[in-house]
Amino acid sequence: DVKVTQSSRYLVKRTGEKVFLECVQDMDHENMFWYRQDPGLGLRLIYFSYDVKMKEKGDIPEGYSVSREKKERFSLILESASTNQTSMYLCASSPSTGGHRTETQYFGPGTRLLVL
Amino acid sequence: GQNIDQPTEMTATEGAIVQINCTYQTSGFNGLFWYQQHAGEAPTFLSYNVLDGLEEKGRFSSFLSRSKGYSYLLLKELQMKDSASYLCAPMDSNYQLIWGAGTKLIIKP
Repeated sequence: DVKVTQSSRYLVKRTGEKVFLECVQDMDHENMFWYRQDPGLGLRLIYFSYDVKMKEKGDIPEGYSVSREKKERFSLILESASTNQTSMYLCASSPSTGGHRTETQYFGPGTRLLVL
Repeated sequence: GQNIDQPTEMTATEGAIVQINCTYQTSGFNGLFWYQQHAGEAPTFLSYNVLDGLEEKGRFSSFLSRSKGYSYLLLKELQMKDSASYLCAPMDSNYQLIWGAGTKLIIKP
C-alpha cells in the first residue's frame, strides 16, 4: 500500500513565525504535491514537483515555498505565517508511468494549521 | 476559466441508490477522477474515467460524457459508512487536477 505521511496532524503557530510542513512517501513516486483545503472550496494547488530539486508553482504559491532535496520528501515552508494561512494542508504523491501524468494521487492524512 | 459544479449536499437513505452529478469546464481534458473524503481525513481514490461511458466498480460506478462536460458517481446499496464528501476532479491539458468543492453525502437510517 502507498503510504504518505505528514509530520504533524495539528499545528498552532503565531503570526510571523516560519513554519515547516514535511511530507514523506514510501513508494518511489516522482510527483509530489501540496494543497490547501478550506471549507466550501475545492483543493487548491500550492506547489508541485516532478523530480528531485524541481518545483513548479500551482494556483496559490504566494506566501509559500517548497523544497525537494530527496525523492521521497517534499517540504512546504511558510516564510512568515499569517492568519489567512490557517487551513488544512494536504500532501499527495503520484507515480509517472511511462511519462504519463494521469496517475492517481495518494494523499497524506493532512496537517490542520492554526495561525494565531 | 476552469470551473467545476457539483451539489453542495445530498441526503439519502441506507440501502438506497444516489447519483452525484458533476459538470466541468476545463482547458483541455485528460480524464476525470472521483475521490471520497471522510470528515477530517484525506481524500481517497474512487475512480478514473477518460473515455465516455460507465465504469463499474462494485457498489460504485462512474459515468463520463466528454462532449457534455458531465460526469456522475452512482452509489448503490448505500451504507452508513458512505457518509462522506465526494470530490469531482477533472484533469486539464497541463495534467493538473481541478477540484470541485465536493458534495457532502448524508446517509440516514
